[in-house]
Amino acid sequence: GAVVSQHPSRVICKSGTSVKIECRSLDFQATTMFWYRQFPKKSLMLMATSNEGSKATYEQGVEKDKFLINHASLTLSTLTVTSAHPEDSSFYICSAPTTSGRDEQFFGPGTRLTVL
Amino acid sequence: QKEVEQDPGPLSVPEGAIVSLNCTYSNSAFQYFMWYRQYSRKGPELLMYTYSSGNKEDGRFTAQVDKSSKYISLFIRDSQPSDSATYLCAMSAGGGNKLTFGTGTQLKVEL
Repeated sequence: GAVVSQHPSRVICKSGTSVKIECRSLDFQATTMFWYRQFPKKSLMLMATSNEGSKATYEQGVEKDKFLINHASLTLSTLTVTSAHPEDSSFYICSAPTTSGRDEQFFGPGTRLTVL
Repeated sequence: QKEVEQDPGPLSVPEGAIVSLNCTYSNSAFQYFMWYRQYSRKGPELLMYTYSSGNKEDGRFTAQVDKSSKYISLFIRDSQPSDSATYLCAMSAGGGNKLTFGTGTQLKVEL
């Protein structure tokens, strides 16, 4: 299957700082990537769809200015959590669909963010 | 009513048992169906992908889709402790659409 990497795997930061999470498709190109948030023992919550060369599409209730998404190239999307607060602490996961047209998505290993 | 319903469990079975995991859905536009396995603190891993109604087998795993009943299943034969994880069903209408996930079923296979 296709490989998606995420960096960092874990980050601890102080309240008020910004944190950048990178998502890379390693062996395929992805014009679209998805960013999810997952709370303990809960399912994945789609935050936004990252589009290469255009603005991201955010799900209802997700603050665009809080969660900045940049799809810099066909293999890289970044999520920046700006002015992070303890309630932003969560597990953030990205995914990328292959170009097969089958809608299957391959997920990164996730980033655990802890805001103190 | 949620678009996709999945029993969250937890489901505990002895090693070697046959496990049946299920999801029901309400959106008749869904045509692509997936099962993901997620270990604790890891990203989901694609296990099975199916398109049409019927069965698809891959090793110890069998995915079953019944579009007329809007019901999908994942069967795990000869379950192993390493199968202990959360299993998420996911589906989409195609055309690059977003996936809609079930809540996930937590499975524990005990020695």
